[in-house]
Amino acid sequence: DIQMTQSPSTLSASVGDRVTITCRASQSIGTWLAWYQQKPGKAPKFLIYKASSLESGVPSRFSGSGSGTEFTLTISSLQPDDFATYYCQQYNSFPYTFGQGTKLEIK
Amino acid sequence: QLQLQESGPGLVKPSETLSLTCTVSGGSVSTSTYYWGWIRQPPGKGLEWIGNVYYSGSTYYNPSLKSRVTISVDMSKNQFSLKLSSVTAADRAVYYCARLRTDDSFDIWGQGTMVTVSS
Repeated sequence: DIQMTQSPSTLSASVGDRVTITCRASQSIGTWLAWYQQKPGKAPKFLIYKASSLESGVPSRFSGSGSGTEFTLTISSLQPDDFATYYCQQYNSFPYTFGQGTKLEIK
Repeated sequence: QLQLQESGPGLVKPSETLSLTCTVSGGSVSTSTYYWGWIRQPPGKGLEWIGNVYYSGSTYYNPSLKSRVTISVDMSKNQFSLKLSSVTAADRAVYYCARLRTDDSFDIWGQGTMVTVSS
């Protein structure tokens, strides 16, 4: 199985900050990577596919980059609605696997 | 707008079979464009992919669960289903159904349903 490791596990930031979350794959996955946002008690929300393509309707302050084994999710200017847990997921090969999550907290 | 809704018992006894259904509204499960999937999340933990199904019935399962999982499609009801046999406390989780885009990312999710395993 491909292991997905996110860092940091927890990130404290303030409204207006620029933040970056990193996701590393245990082997190359090309750009077959998605990012999701999850708030407590809610289903994950789809943000980014193919490492850097923004899903329709997702604010442009979200961006993704990377290929191979290292990927990043960047939020250019944090808004109050962005405080949540973020997960990366590889879909290069079965079994699909998720990172352990990064909790973005208000500083 | 496509919506997914999970349904099924919230409580299952150990060693029995967990059965959940995902009803698709605003679209068709029989489309040749998409796969449909199940993902679960134990309380306070991360996400685990369970498996995918195509309208034709072809399936892909997580090897860690493969011996216990069956996912199927019922086109007449516009639903797809999950069965997980021989459940234990480790299967306690929120179970989500989701649609897979053509590139296999999960773009639309149901709201999730909590399943507890207890006698």
